[in-house]
Amino acid sequence: DTGVSQDPRHKITKRGQNVTFRCDPISEHNRLYWYRQTLGQGPEFLTYFQNEAQLEKSRLLSDRFSAERPKGSFSTLEIQRTEQGDSAMYLCASSLAGTGHFYGYTFGSGTRLTVV
Amino acid sequence: KNEVEQSPQNLTAQEGEFITINCSYSVGISALHWLQQHPGGGIVSLFMLSSGKKKHGRLIATINIQEKHSSLHITASHPRDSAVYICAEGGADGLTFGKGTHLIIQP
Repeated sequence: DTGVSQDPRHKITKRGQNVTFRCDPISEHNRLYWYRQTLGQGPEFLTYFQNEAQLEKSRLLSDRFSAERPKGSFSTLEIQRTEQGDSAMYLCASSLAGTGHFYGYTFGSGTRLTVV
Repeated sequence: KNEVEQSPQNLTAQEGEFITINCSYSVGISALHWLQQHPGGGIVSLFMLSSGKKKHGRLIATINIQEKHSSLHITASHPRDSAVYICAEGGADGLTFGKGTHLIIQP
């Protein structure tokens, strides 16, 4: 297993276009998280899944943001009608968590989005 | 919502110096994490702790639950330690991050 993979690494898009990012977690991990990081700031939590269930989505930044994990493996994050303020690094992480155990996070390298 | 504050924001030191980065949080936590981020964005988890002290190589992390404070220490610092170090709190339901400390170790 090569860790958490994110694709693409970089994306440049025109304002108003839709973009989709993919995250492949570590295969044994049941939880998958999305974060956004703007320049000079720490990451901020967006949403997370346990298997295919989205357990928290109230902190997605607007209704233009949506995420899926249809088969409990890879996940996609979509941003519709992109705005310049969406320019950021989008980070994915995964973990193995269950009753009484949690072993921490493994992060991907991120997708850097630039909206022009 | 927990507030996580780090200090200093920026730190430049000479090779070999002992480095301390501080982290404070506002409410009780399930776990405190120290992470390292290199240019290009990738984040590596260094420590997860809920009490006491952990050590890995030249890195040491401590936490004081009563004072809601954690520190990351680097002994015998080296230029390859140059990175952003981020403190975060949370368990399996997601993390709340500090803004990070940008560390530069000069040869």
